[in-house]
Amino acid sequence: KQEVTQIPAALSVPEGENLVLNCSFTDSAIYNLQWFRQDPGKGLTSLLLIQSSQREQTSGRLNASLDKSSGRSTLYIAASQPGDSATYLCAVSTGANSKLTFGKGITLSVRP
Amino acid sequence: ETGVTQTPRHLVMGMTNKKSLKCEQHLGHNAMYWYKQSAKKPLELMFVYNFKEQTENNSVPSRFSPECPNSSHLFLHLHTLQPEDSALYLCASSQALHPDGETQYFGPGTRLLVL
Repeated sequence: KQEVTQIPAALSVPEGENLVLNCSFTDSAIYNLQWFRQDPGKGLTSLLLIQSSQREQTSGRLNASLDKSSGRSTLYIAASQPGDSATYLCAVSTGANSKLTFGKGITLSVRP
Repeated sequence: ETGVTQTPRHLVMGMTNKKSLKCEQHLGHNAMYWYKQSAKKPLELMFVYNFKEQTENNSVPSRFSPECPNSSHLFLHLHTLQPEDSALYLCASSQALHPDGETQYFGPGTRLLVL
């Protein structure tokens, strides 16, 4: 059974810092890995999707990497801003039904 | 806005009530999903529909009954719920079910409280 782990559960950094959020998964037979952002009381917004054949994806100040063999992904946020404060969830797709298995998320707080 | 709307946004119901959650997507997608997000637990997939046909039921109790009348609408009918069913229920859609996976677009969720 696939399990996704995100540690730590919460992170607080000062504005301007570059930071890395980690995600690990137990079964390397994945189709893709996605990073989502969730603001309090709201749904999820897709940030980046990395196919199993890819190593990384970039969007603006965000860069996500995937090491399928070791079961790890990182989300790099450059020059963090208070508006980046949110919960970041990692999810892996492990079936033809596009079934996503989620981690519990990392709640990020960027202090002004 | 992601193009996926959910109503109501908040719902309080007793254990003997019957209610329904509604999801509508304006993206022309063909796959729709229901997820449950409980406090301190990972998001859990409940149901998947592809071209109106249910393709996944993730061992969900029968007190939750999904309905997908067309590719744009998805309902979750609730009856005789338990307090532990209190959670945020999220709907999502994607273009279709593809082996390589598809980006899923989420609605804002319905916050459900069962008393």
